[in-house]
Amino acid sequence: EVQLVESGGGLVQPGGSLRLSCSASGFTFSSYAMHWVRQAPGKGLEYVSAISSNGGSTYYADSVKGRFTISRDNSKNTLYLQMSSLRAEDTAVYYCVKGTYSGYDPFDYWGQGTLVTVSS
Amino acid sequence: DIQMTQSPSSLSASVGDRVTITCRASQGISNYLAWYQQKPGKVPKLLIYAASTLQSGVPSRFSGSGSGTDFTLTISSLQPEDVATYYCQKYNSAPPLTFGGGTKVEIK
Repeated sequence: EVQLVESGGGLVQPGGSLRLSCSASGFTFSSYAMHWVRQAPGKGLEYVSAISSNGGSTYYADSVKGRFTISRDNSKNTLYLQMSSLRAEDTAVYYCVKGTYSGYDPFDYWGQGTLVTVSS
Repeated sequence: DIQMTQSPSSLSASVGDRVTITCRASQGISNYLAWYQQKPGKVPKLLIYAASTLQSGVPSRFSGSGSGTDFTLTISSLQPEDVATYYCQKYNSAPPLTFGGGTKVEIK
């Protein structure tokens, strides 16, 4: 059974940093691109970041470029999102997401999400 | 980047009604279009991919159509359990896999 379990969310002050982790199991993690999607309270889905299966290629939404860093450790089946210079508008539930196939495909599995709250 | 625009942003319909949601891409994306359903307090669920292919386990009252820039999601007979927000997403070959703004479906 595919499982994606996020951790690392919490309350952080504006300008602060946080590292999210996503532990994956039930599939060959190293064969799939992985993604982060966020959802601000009461708002829609926002595509945040992606990383290729071997980690050699990354993507960032303009809203987080230069502040967030996506990475992965295929030996640990873990995806990361290092977030810095956090702003109030980064407050959201952050989902770790797996694509259906090995490329950049629709998402067939989502984690339960971890809430990040940026507030003083 | 390609933008995805959904309409309407919300709708209210009666049980048994036919419901149609539209998604428009700012550039052609062939059939690289997916639809998701997010029920209140839940994680999004993939309903349809490749514009019209039903994900395994999705009821047949859901259908998708379209190609290029214009796409539709249709619920042939709205059920109470279909109350949710629906999102389209484009995924042609590379990031970003942009979502539409969402359509909230309620029962009248």
